[in-house]
Formats: sequence, C-alpha cells, structure tokens
Amino acid sequence: KAGVTQTPRYLIKTRGQQVTLSCSPISGHRSVSWYQQTPGQGLQFLFEYFSETQRNKGNFPGRFSGRQFSNSRSEMNVSTLELGDSALYLCASTRELRDTQYFGPGTRLTVL
Amino acid sequence: DAKTTQPNSMESNEEEPVHLPCNHSTISGTDYIHWYRQLPSQGPEYVIHGLTSNVNNRMASLAIAEDRKSSTLILHRATLRDAAVYYCILRVTNTGNQFYFGTGTSLTVIP
Repeated sequence: KAGVTQTPRYLIKTRGQQVTLSCSPISGHRSVSWYQQTPGQGLQFLFEYFSETQRNKGNFPGRFSGRQFSNSRSEMNVSTLELGDSALYLCASTRELRDTQYFGPGTRLTVL
Repeated sequence: DAKTTQPNSMESNEEEPVHLPCNHSTISGTDYIHWYRQLPSQGPEYVIHGLTSNVNNRMASLAIAEDRKSSTLILHRATLRDAAVYYCILRVTNTGNQFYFGTGTSLTVIP
C-alpha cells in the first residue's frame, strides 16, 4: 500500500506570494493533519481534517488555511508569504479520527 | 507550551540497549503517549504508543510510569539505523486527534 504522498517536495517562493501544498493520504484513510517543522519551533500542529471538515486548528495566523476533498486528499494554502514561513510542511493521515498518524516526507518551502 | 520534555541528545553503543526518557507531567487521563522517530529529510516514522500499560512491538518497548507522568522508550539492541531524532508525543483525543510534539532526543549510535 502506498504511503502518504506530498507534492511538491521542494518549493521556492518570494515574500508576498502565496503557495498551495498538496497531500494524498494512504488509501482508505479519512483524516489528514498538517504540521510545520522549523529548527526553532520544532513540529507544530496546523490543522486536522476529517471527512472534509476541519476538526482542529493550531495557533497559526489566518494566512494559513486548508481544505479536504471528498477523496480525502488535502491542500494547505499560505498567503502573503513571510520569511518565517520557510519550513518543512508535513502531512499525516489516519484511517479514523483517533488512530495512529502516518506521515509523508514533507514539502520543503523556502521563502526568499 | 511543551507538553513533553526530553533530553536533547543521547549516545549509545551499537548492539546495546537504549533507554530514552520522557516527562509529561500534565498528561490527562485520555491522552495517549506516542513515540515517533525522524531521519534526516524524512517525515516522522511511528515507533510505538500506549495509554496506561507497558507495550512491546517489533521495534521497541514502551514503559509507562504508574502515575503516567513519565515514560521510557526502550530499544533493545541499538543499530546504526536507529540513529535518529526520537519524539515523545502526547496525543490529545478529547478534542480530536491533536499531536503535541516535544523537542525530541537526537540519538547517536556509536559503532
């Protein structure tokens, strides 16, 4: 069974631009969570989706948003990029809402 | 506000057991304890999890204190492939499925 896939793997943007990252969960998994990983802050929870509904949201500004589609694929969007948004963005999926999470390889975003 | 605290780094000799400690003094009754590890340029990989009782799987063992305020991940025989950052995580389930990552312990395995 294929694991969690994230596209693109690497991305370079400039300040003020916006970016959309994509996550395809493991087949049969209905929940997707997003995390931001930086050297200074570590791994921080962004949001969690289940059956196209946002169930939880971390402490991030409104520039960070996401959505989940009927096939469980998820996207996250960051608008008006700042230098501090440079990070590894990780997606994780679970079969049901309270199962163990399985992580993808991440998307490395660099903001110049 | 970190919910778990771990040593920044540890070293172990190859083929010896490793005990990775974690403190989670604010744990609530419904929070699960998870351990993941992360290799460079990869996403975190699931290792083991538990609620109250000690747990064993093919990768490791998890020993949970009786008051649940601390736990220890045990790798029975460290190999070079076990060198990674190990994260102790509380999974808070009362409001969904939110993971609270600690800062992680960087494990170095010495040949």
